[in-house]
Amino acid sequence: QVQLVESGGGVVQPGRSLRLSCAASGFTFSTYGIHWVRQAPGKGLEWVAVIWNDGSKQYYADSVKGRLTVSRDNSKNMVSLQMNSLKAEDTAVYYCARDVWDSESETRFDYWGQGTLVTVSS
Amino acid sequence: SSELTQDPAVSVALGQTVRITCQGDSLRSYYASWYQQKPGQAPVVVIYGKNNRPSGIPDRFSGSSSGNTASLTITGAQAEDEADYYCNSRDSSGNHWVFGGGTKLTVL
Repeated sequence: QVQLVESGGGVVQPGRSLRLSCAASGFTFSTYGIHWVRQAPGKGLEWVAVIWNDGSKQYYADSVKGRLTVSRDNSKNMVSLQMNSLKAEDTAVYYCARDVWDSESETRFDYWGQGTLVTVSS
Repeated sequence: SSELTQDPAVSVALGQTVRITCQGDSLRSYYASWYQQKPGQAPVVVIYGKNNRPSGIPDRFSGSSSGNTASLTITGAQAEDEADYYCNSRDSSGNHWVFGGGTKLTVL
């Protein structure tokens, strides 16, 4: 079965860095784009970034551009989110989600991980 | 980037029909997808495209779209449908995605 498992969350001081991972299994990883979506405590969902299936393109929300970098290793079925210069407002549960696209229905996020909590605090 | 606007909260009597709406300019170009999120859980897609339900989603969930507005309709709401609902689509650039602010559905 399709599984996405995030890891790497924790408590980090403002200005420091953290690296999240998303381990995938149960599907042909190299044929799917992967998104990161976050949710601050008690708040709504916020799209963060996407990486194309082959890693050739990445796009970021304006709120994180220049500080967060998404990458993937298709040989290890893994996506990473490098988070630098962290701010208090980056505190959230971070989810990775699989992108499914077709020409008739557009994109949907059909499988999600359970999320990993990042807390930015001094 | 564009925004998607949802009503923060909606309520429905058990067994009745409720519509949750999502407005945004990008919806003139892209279909919305809809996600249900219950407390402490990851979101689950319930509707995508013109009106498609993933396997396992009850047929009381349906979707529609007109102009800049997408709608999620629950016909015969059940207690287990009480949750937060989010719409999502690409923004006008086509390379970013955006979520609506979410609608908290209460089933009375």
